[in-house]
Amino acid sequence: SAVISQKPSRDICQRGTSLTIQCQVDSQVTMMFWYRQQPGQSLTLIATANQGSEATYESGFVIDKFPISRPNLTFSTLTVSNMSPEDSSIYLCSVGQGAHEQYFGPGTRLTVT
Amino acid sequence: GENVEQHPSTLSVQEGDSAVIKCTYSDSASNYFPWYKQELGKGPQLIIDIRSNVGEKKDQRIAVTLNKTAKHFSLHITETQPEDSAVYFCAALKQAGTALIFGKGTTLSVSS
Repeated sequence: SAVISQKPSRDICQRGTSLTIQCQVDSQVTMMFWYRQQPGQSLTLIATANQGSEATYESGFVIDKFPISRPNLTFSTLTVSNMSPEDSSIYLCSVGQGAHEQYFGPGTRLTVT
Repeated sequence: GENVEQHPSTLSVQEGDSAVIKCTYSDSASNYFPWYKQELGKGPQLIIDIRSNVGEKKDQRIAVTLNKTAKHFSLHITETQPEDSAVYFCAALKQAGTALIFGKGTTLSVSS
């Protein structure tokens, strides 16, 4: 399986600001995904990061709030924009050669005050 | 829409006992079912998966069974150990094959 790193591992941010989370994988992968996991909850897919094109967002998530970049096959960023306390969550990236066999990074723990 | 139900939400067992977690899915076209283990402060770890052309799969102390007719699948852990304590998530691949739908998770506690 791939080795996946995320930066930052955690952050505390003020409402109204934005945070960009980075996801780096040690090998080229076809698919990269971004999930949100609210405290004590399950994983909810935010979007699929597509290399060379716009991300594909799930219902309830929009590009203006969660812009995503994927400049190459090993790297992606997720920005959480104009944050509110409701955005306090763990943000996880995952990778796979398809939507099968997804491997997750360690997560970014975000607290918005 | 597509949905995955997971039970129980919490499970406490004694070391050495078996643990079983069950999931049901709504989309009959789903054909891939992974299980993830998430330890505190870590990302989910893929521990076993099964595809719809197989009824059972084993890997040492863990096994997964799939009943396509009833649209449910289960995780079985035998000879549980304290290090098995974690949150376990089941998932099913959406019909379009583009994303996983996760269950709500089961917190397993193994006491020694």
